[in-house]
Amino acid sequence: GAGVSQSPRYKVAKRGQDVALRCDPISGHVSLFWYQQALGQGPEFLTYFQNEAQLDKSGLPSDRFFAERPEGSVSTLKIQRTQQEDSAVYLCASSLNGGGTDTQYFGPGTRLTVL
Amino acid sequence: AQSVTQPDIHITVSEGASLELRCNYSYGATPYLFWYVQSPGQGLQLLLKYFSGDTLVQGIKGFEAEFKRSQSSFNLRKPSVHWSDAAEYFCAVGGSFQKLVFGTGTRLLVSP
Repeated sequence: GAGVSQSPRYKVAKRGQDVALRCDPISGHVSLFWYQQALGQGPEFLTYFQNEAQLDKSGLPSDRFFAERPEGSVSTLKIQRTQQEDSAVYLCASSLNGGGTDTQYFGPGTRLTVL
Repeated sequence: AQSVTQPDIHITVSEGASLELRCNYSYGATPYLFWYVQSPGQGLQLLLKYFSGDTLVQGIKGFEAEFKRSQSSFNLRKPSVHWSDAAEYFCAVGGSFQKLVFGTGTRLLVSP
């Protein structure tokens, strides 16, 4: 079956522009996660949804970052007034039930470059 | 706070040789431990995970890992490395709320 998909795969933005990154999780997966992976680093947690409820947004670096999952399926990560330090790969993951032992399945990521 | 340390940034192994990638974690409760592999341009793929039971865990592609509570370690091993194993490997720790904390990764290079 289809895995987690993300679009666009690459995004170049000028500093100050707004961007929207899309994640399509595996069908039927309850939980959805966003991570940020800077160059040469491991992924860092941004936010977590269970169905449409955003249960944890403790990793969002500033109020310029906003995520939503209005119908409990597709999710969008929006970054307003992008800055150079936002350049990174943004990874989306989904899991079936949301339990701690569940496997998180990752998408290929969106590489954001802010000029 | 949760944290993961992968002390080796790069490791080079000859094809056919054995491999061990180190991972140390810090976690206040019973940890759930994971190893993921990331190939260029691809997403993270789960190799194996540990949350209870037998401390030696078998994964995909011939990998295994051993959980040692006394050493706070979860090292990844493979008895014979193939050229296709060249990739970046990440150790991660999680708990009941599933948020994963990743290490900085170890890049594996395989020499002929």
